[in-house]
Amino acid sequence: QVQLVQSGAEVKKPGASVKVSCKASGYSFTTFGITWVRQAPGQGLEWMGWVSAHSGSTQYAQHLQGRVTLTTDKSTTTAHMDLRSLRSDDTAVYYCATGSVALQTLHFWGQGTLITVSA
Amino acid sequence: QSVLTQPPSVSAAPGQNVTISCSARSSKSAYNFVSWYQQLPGTAPKLLIYDNNERPSGIPDRFSGSKSGTSATLAITGLQTGDEADYYCATWDSSLSPDVIFGGGTKVTVL
Repeated sequence: QVQLVQSGAEVKKPGASVKVSCKASGYSFTTFGITWVRQAPGQGLEWMGWVSAHSGSTQYAQHLQGRVTLTTDKSTTTAHMDLRSLRSDDTAVYYCATGSVALQTLHFWGQGTLITVSA
Repeated sequence: QSVLTQPPSVSAAPGQNVTISCSARSSKSAYNFVSWYQQLPGTAPKLLIYDNNERPSGIPDRFSGSKSGTSATLAITGLQTGDEADYYCATWDSSLSPDVIFGGGTKVTVL
């Protein structure tokens, strides 16, 4: 079965960077892209961006452009989300998701990774 | 404020039916397929409906979706206590940023 397993929770200081990984299994990794969505405490879902597992091409939410980098590694079937210059409002649960060529259709989700940004 | 507008909350007794609306502010967004997600407390979202009205395998037919003009609707019939969750609509619009937009979410409470 399709599984997305994410790396563990982290605490970071403002201005630091964080890298979250998402290990995919149970399907042909290059078939679908990987989408990243985050959710601040008590808030709704926010789309961050998408990366093609086949070509590596990316689409980013405009307000995150320049701070976020999405990559994939076919050899390990793992996707990575790198977020720089962290601020307190980046505190959120970060999810990876996949399962369709349609960007808004996310059949499979990781368990989420809590990133806390605090001085 | 989200480009997709949902009511903050709806509530009903077990066995009753509820509907959740999702209205697009942008007429361009209104023409793209809508997905719906259920998020139980403390868990990752789960896909309920895609392409406006399609259910993934394993989703009971108590959940249905529809779309008309600038609005989409999620209907839940025969409400169960396990349906108490947050529900989000989502669509794609490359003319906007971000490309994928989520509604603000609707909390369904089973009385």
